[in-house]
Amino acid sequence: EVQLVESGGGLVQPGGSLRLSCAASGFIFSGYAMSWVRQAPGKGLEWVSGISDTGAGTYYQDSVKGRFTISRDKSKSTLYLQLNSLTAEDTAVYYCAKAQGHPTAAYYFDFWGQGTLVTVSS
Amino acid sequence: QSVLTQPPSVSGAPGQRVTISCTGTSSNIGAGYDVHWYQHLPGTAPKLLIYGNNNRPSGVPDRFSGSKSGTSASLAITGLQPEDEADFYCQSFDSSLSGWVFGGGTKVTVL
Repeated sequence: EVQLVESGGGLVQPGGSLRLSCAASGFIFSGYAMSWVRQAPGKGLEWVSGISDTGAGTYYQDSVKGRFTISRDKSKSTLYLQLNSLTAEDTAVYYCAKAQGHPTAAYYFDFWGQGTLVTVSS
Repeated sequence: QSVLTQPPSVSGAPGQRVTISCTGTSSNIGAGYDVHWYQHLPGTAPKLLIYGNNNRPSGVPDRFSGSKSGTSASLAITGLQPEDEADFYCQSFDSSLSGWVFGGGTKVTVL
């Protein structure tokens, strides 16, 4: 059974940093691309960042480029998202999602975690 | 403002058929990129409903179906059931943004 468990969310001040983790199990982690998707309060789903199966390719939404960094650890079957220079607009539930499909542009997300809440406030 | 446009809400009585539209542009759906659909209940993990425009993952009832034409796509739910009440999102790829995009979401209410 595929499981994705996010952690690391919490309350952080504007300008602060946070690192989110997503522990994966039930599939060959190194064989799949992964992504982070967020949902701000009262808003819809928004793709944030993605990483290829090998980690060689990383992708970001324009609003987080230069501030967020996605990475993965094959030995720990864990996906990460480093969040820096946070603003109130980054407040959201962050979901990690397993990508499926080929080629890259055809990716869809077949399994999702339960999410971790990031609140940016003073 | 989402790149893909969905109606904010649709509703129907139990047993009825409802459709949710997803309108894009020439840089996403119109460029030939696949459309996928998700069902989301607040506080839970989103669930893949349709992939590759019209394919259902194992376990998804055949009451759910997808289609795509030109710059738009649609999700149809036939035989609407109370447990179908949720938010539904379309998703595709956008070449101008070089990233994956979602619609704004549609809340389905069963009357």
